[in-house]
Amino acid sequence: SQKIEQNSEALNIQEGKTATLTCNYTNYSPAYLQWYRQDPGRGPVFLLLIRENEKEKRKERLKVTFDTTLKQSLFHITASQPADSATYLCAPGGRGGGADGLTFGKGTHLIIQP
Amino acid sequence: GAVVSQHPSRVICKSGTSVKIECRSLDFQATTMFWYRQFPKQSLMLMATSNEGSKATYEQGVEKDKFLINHASLTLSTLTVTSAHPEDSSFYICSASSRTDTQYFGPGTRLTVL
Repeated sequence: SQKIEQNSEALNIQEGKTATLTCNYTNYSPAYLQWYRQDPGRGPVFLLLIRENEKEKRKERLKVTFDTTLKQSLFHITASQPADSATYLCAPGGRGGGADGLTFGKGTHLIIQP
Repeated sequence: GAVVSQHPSRVICKSGTSVKIECRSLDFQATTMFWYRQFPKQSLMLMATSNEGSKATYEQGVEKDKFLINHASLTLSTLTVTSAHPEDSSFYICSASSRTDTQYFGPGTRLTVL
């Protein structure tokens, strides 16, 4: 069965530094991978989608890479701010035809310390 | 754009009663809507997928007679938890997709069954 692993349950980063979050998956060949942010008691907010034929994607201070050989995606937040503190979820998807329900990793709780 | 709303945001009910949760896509037409459930400190788990005008497809282990889903229009899906019990207490989140791979999530509904 599909397995999605995200690095550590909590990640503490100093404000201004780059936060790097890891998502590894097994038993799956996704056509794309999505990253979401979730704040306590709220639904996930879409951040970025990267497709299997894309190596890297950027949006403002966010950067995502996708290595289909390593079966891994890295999510970077540069110049991190305390407001970036949240849980970040990765969700590989696709291959089912049409819109697929997502399988999420447990998430990484990112804490940006002032 | 891509805003999804849920109502109510919070509901408390007595054991044995039924609860209806609405999910609306406010500024786009959602060909597919999904329902997820999230228990404390766990990730989101897909419950069912619904396409407008079709019967919902339920994930393994999710009782279709207990969790009734109606996707009556391209902007509205409802989830009814029938004969709710305390173990059904959870955070229910819907998402909507419109012929793209990206899913946009609602803010969630906190259900507490006494």
